[in-house]
Amino acid sequence: GNSVTQMEGPVTLSEEAFLTINCTYTATGYPSLFWYVQYPGEGLQLLLKATKADDKGSNKGFEATYRKETTSFHLEKGSVQVSDSAVYFCALTSSSGSARQLTFGSGTQLTVLP
Amino acid sequence: NAGVTQTPKFQVLKTGQSMTLQCAQDMNHEYMSWYRQDPGMGLRLIHYSVGAGITDQGEVPNGYNVSRSTTEDFPLRLLSAAPSQTSVYFCASSYGTSGNQPQHFGDGTRLSIL
Repeated sequence: GNSVTQMEGPVTLSEEAFLTINCTYTATGYPSLFWYVQYPGEGLQLLLKATKADDKGSNKGFEATYRKETTSFHLEKGSVQVSDSAVYFCALTSSSGSARQLTFGSGTQLTVLP
Repeated sequence: NAGVTQTPKFQVLKTGQSMTLQCAQDMNHEYMSWYRQDPGMGLRLIHYSVGAGITDQGEVPNGYNVSRSTTEDFPLRLLSAAPSQTSVYFCASSYGTSGNQPQHFGDGTRLSIL
């Protein structure tokens, strides 16, 4: 079956530091990959996505590249801000079976200190 | 811009009680789903629906029922609440059937079973 493995948290960084959150996946077919972000007390919001190999998703300074050869979709940001403090989830949908079932990683808590 | 609306936001139940978590979306999305979020486990799919009158089980369906009588509404029913169902519940919806469209999440219902 499908699975997503995320870097364990929590992660604590100083403002303007470089961020990487690792994500690797196992899936049948050709999955679409997503990063969602959850701010305290809120639901998940889509941060970025990539639907085929070598695609790069980007939004709000965050980037992730769909690497089929390493089955990875690592999230990066060059300079984090305090407002980026949240929980980040890597997720995928598989092109086989029920395509709309999202499989999530366990989430990575990010805290950015001023 | 309502999006996905969940009610209630908080609920405390006693073991054995029943209740319905409400979910409504105003985006005319075909696909709707229910997830539960537990610490360190990401989100797990409970039930989903690809359109009015059609529902199916996800990863953790036991103890929950759903129905989809309209495109807009997708209520989740707990028939006899158990402490193991203490969790945060999220409803989500998405457009189309391709699997690469982002899901839109509600703000969640925090449920405690005593």
